[in-house]
Amino acid sequence: EDQVTQSPEALRLQEGESSSLNCSYTVSGLRGLFWYRQDPGKGPEFLFTLYSAGEEKEKERLKATLTKKESFLHITAPKPEDSATYLCAVQAERNSGNTPLVFGKGTRLSVIA
Amino acid sequence: GAVVSQHPSWVICKSGTSVKIECRSLDFQATTMFWYRQFPKQSLMLMATSNEGSKATYEQGVEKDKFLINHASLTLSTLTVTSAHPEDSSFYICSARSGGLGPQHFGDGTRLSIL
Repeated sequence: EDQVTQSPEALRLQEGESSSLNCSYTVSGLRGLFWYRQDPGKGPEFLFTLYSAGEEKEKERLKATLTKKESFLHITAPKPEDSATYLCAVQAERNSGNTPLVFGKGTRLSVIA
Repeated sequence: GAVVSQHPSWVICKSGTSVKIECRSLDFQATTMFWYRQFPKQSLMLMATSNEGSKATYEQGVEKDKFLINHASLTLSTLTVTSAHPEDSSFYICSARSGGLGPQHFGDGTRLSIL
């Protein structure tokens, strides 16, 4: 069974205090790993896709990395507007081809000014 | 690009009412759409996967007669919660993808409250 575990469950940072969120996964053949941001009462907003170990993607203060067992979302010098829940999801290889994403429970990030 | 519109955003209705939620891909053709349910401070739970023109595939434990899904075109899928009861109250989110690989793009969800 495909599983995604995110840690920590919640993280409180001071503005400018860099940190990392972890996403550990077990999947029978990884097709892709995805990071999303979700604000309260909204649907998830797509951030990154990573396909193979060693791959890195960056967007503003966010950087996502991938190994064979986990992914990290690094947040550099965060601002209060970065406060949100960050979700990690994996898509598994299947013969059927079109498989849905399996999500972790997310990390609730609060950045205090 | 990759905008998904979900409507309505908020519904309050009486027990026994059927509620229809629409999900539209505005700027791409969604060969596959997914319906999720999310409880407070919990992650997204997949309810069903639907491919355009085919019957939806429901996850274990999801009643297909309770949650009717129609995906009649490449830009529209609907979820109908039939004879809704208070335990059906939740946040329902749809997502869409073009092809079998790549990110799913999400709507902004529908908050359903059954009195």
